[in-house]
Amino acid sequence: ETGVTQTPRHLVMGMTNKKSLKCEQHLGHNAMYWYKQSAKKPLELMFVYNFKEQTENNSVPSRFSPECPNSSHLFLHLHTLQPEDSALYLCASSQDRGGYTFGSGTRLTVV
Amino acid sequence: QKEVEQNSGPLSVPEGAIASLNCTYSDRGSQSFFWYRQYSGKSPELIMFIYSNGDKEDGRFTAQLNKASQYVSLLIRDSQPSDSATYLCAVESGGYNKLIFGAGTRLAVHP
Repeated sequence: ETGVTQTPRHLVMGMTNKKSLKCEQHLGHNAMYWYKQSAKKPLELMFVYNFKEQTENNSVPSRFSPECPNSSHLFLHLHTLQPEDSALYLCASSQDRGGYTFGSGTRLTVV
Repeated sequence: QKEVEQNSGPLSVPEGAIASLNCTYSDRGSQSFFWYRQYSGKSPELIMFIYSNGDKEDGRFTAQLNKASQYVSLLIRDSQPSDSATYLCAVESGGYNKLIFGAGTRLAVHP
């Protein structure tokens, strides 16, 4: 495996469900990120982890809960989501100031 | 709220022409600037980064930065239909290696 891997690629969940998104980076990077991408809107930064410590929570609702057990893995735990949370969720990693490498994303639909 | 502004397009250019994509940003303290390409249904892919005022060339791509005017641009020479995508401008702002993205400019290269 190379780069940044995200699973699942697609997820449909009901508003009362609990699910988790997984991200794994194989690049040896020291920072990982969750972004949300909705149609016609800029990428929205959600969470930043540096050396597995959370350094940014961009006023994200508590129904999104990140977890970073080590510098290679990042999770986003989801519960009681709303239909407006339907979007593409992108994980990225970086090292120093070299820009981000993105995963393929998880297309989330909340019904 | 720090912002990155891009014209949403679509920018339509004929094959072989130069495509010029522009971006302005609000944070005068920003030091790192990136251009990403995103094909429909795919995740963003880093194509250029620039840190210093002036031009930086990589193959058919040239990034231009003017910090005094808070302006970044991307030129694509000899545009090809395969260049048709959305181009995202990203600026490091508000924290180390924290990127703020513009909403993107859609480029359409027609034969």
